[in-house]
Amino acid sequence: NAGVTQTPKFQVLKTGQSMTLQCAQDMNHEYMSWYRQDPGMGLRLIHYSVGAGITDQGEVPNGYNVSRSTTEDFPLRLLSAAPSQTSVYFCASSKGRLDEQFFGPGTRLTVL
Amino acid sequence: KQEVTQIPAALSVPEGENLVLNCSFTDSAIYNLQWFRQDPGKGLTSLLLIQSSQREQTSGRLNASLDKSSGRSTLYIAASQPGDSATYLCAVRGEGGFQKLVFGTGTRLLVSP
Repeated sequence: NAGVTQTPKFQVLKTGQSMTLQCAQDMNHEYMSWYRQDPGMGLRLIHYSVGAGITDQGEVPNGYNVSRSTTEDFPLRLLSAAPSQTSVYFCASSKGRLDEQFFGPGTRLTVL
Repeated sequence: KQEVTQIPAALSVPEGENLVLNCSFTDSAIYNLQWFRQDPGKGLTSLLLIQSSQREQTSGRLNASLDKSSGRSTLYIAASQPGDSATYLCAVRGEGGFQKLVFGTGTRLLVSP
């Protein structure tokens, strides 16, 4: 099993550009989520999904969109990048929402 | 609002020492607590998951305890090794409502040879 994979590892954007961060898992997990990690603030939940076709907002959803068309994939879209979105983004999955969380290696995003 | 605190923020020990990392949370109504390890520039690796009904969990040289009523968890690392150097994060999941995972900001551990 590859576990949770994320691409790209690094990305630099200019303000106003859009992009999609990819996340995939091969463990047949129903629950997937996106977090951002900023110095001194811990990890904060952006969006989550409890299964294919079902998504919902976390605590910091503004500026991000998600969709879940398959069990395996959960992409995160930045609609119009802002410097405040400079962060490290982690995707996580678990069998159910309350179960042990498994994290991907992260995407380091810089918005200039 | 649940708040998770980890003290100390950084810890440096010589190889071979037994050590304890602390995690405290303000709302004792939790469903479970998970300890993670994060190496520099890497993702989070799950170490132990403790359900609210459990008092402790063990994996190899790691032992995590949970005192739900006092809002505390500890991660005990026996016979520390340089390979244990990393940032250790705890996260709690609340019982009610959204049941989101709330993370502490971590303890950065350095084990020197």
